[in-house]
Amino acid sequence: DAKTTQPNSMESNEEEPVHLPCNHSTISGTDYIHWYRQLPSQGPEYVIHGLTSNVNNRMASLAIAEDRKSSTLILHRATLRDAAVYYCILSVSGGSNYKLTFGKGTLLTVNP
Amino acid sequence: GAVVSQHPSRVICKSGTSVKIECRSLDFQATTMFWYRQFPKKSLMLMATSNEGSKATYEQGVEKDKFLINHASLTLSTLTVTSAHPEDSSFYICSARDGRGQETQYFGPGTRLLVL
Repeated sequence: DAKTTQPNSMESNEEEPVHLPCNHSTISGTDYIHWYRQLPSQGPEYVIHGLTSNVNNRMASLAIAEDRKSSTLILHRATLRDAAVYYCILSVSGGSNYKLTFGKGTLLTVNP
Repeated sequence: GAVVSQHPSRVICKSGTSVKIECRSLDFQATTMFWYRQFPKKSLMLMATSNEGSKATYEQGVEKDKFLINHASLTLSTLTVTSAHPEDSSFYICSARDGRGQETQYFGPGTRLLVL
């Protein structure tokens, strides 16, 4: 399975932008890039996903490098509620073989 | 976004008993559901993939006779932990993939299992 590499932890200040990096140098041409986040004792929450082009939604933006070997999740204005573990995951695509394999993620701390 | 529920949210049982956890997709049909477990301060570990109407596919190292999975309808999958032991105590999380083939999985809130 294609793997991702993320920093163990990052820190930001409230109302400032946050850029969470992810490296996925072994990504294949059909793998989607997903971002989920998880608060303690809760199930993961979908944040955003993309294939090749940058993506925006109400929660965040996803910037994908041209060679697709890395991506960045952008939270435009961090709030205290954004403090969570953020997972960057590649979906093993291909119909019945689809699944998500979670790595260790990045623990984001947001300072007031 | 789509909603996935789990029941119960937490359960305490005696060693040797079986526990059933339900996972429901509330506002969409899920042809595929997934079961994960998570130990404290660890990441999620995929246990099995469950397709409606067929046998579940288990990840390497997961005992299929211990963790029975049933996906009888497009909105319900169940995980039964049989003859539970203290080492089975964990946070069990299900997720569901929209039947329209979208790439997104929607996760349930999780079930905390404590085996005494």
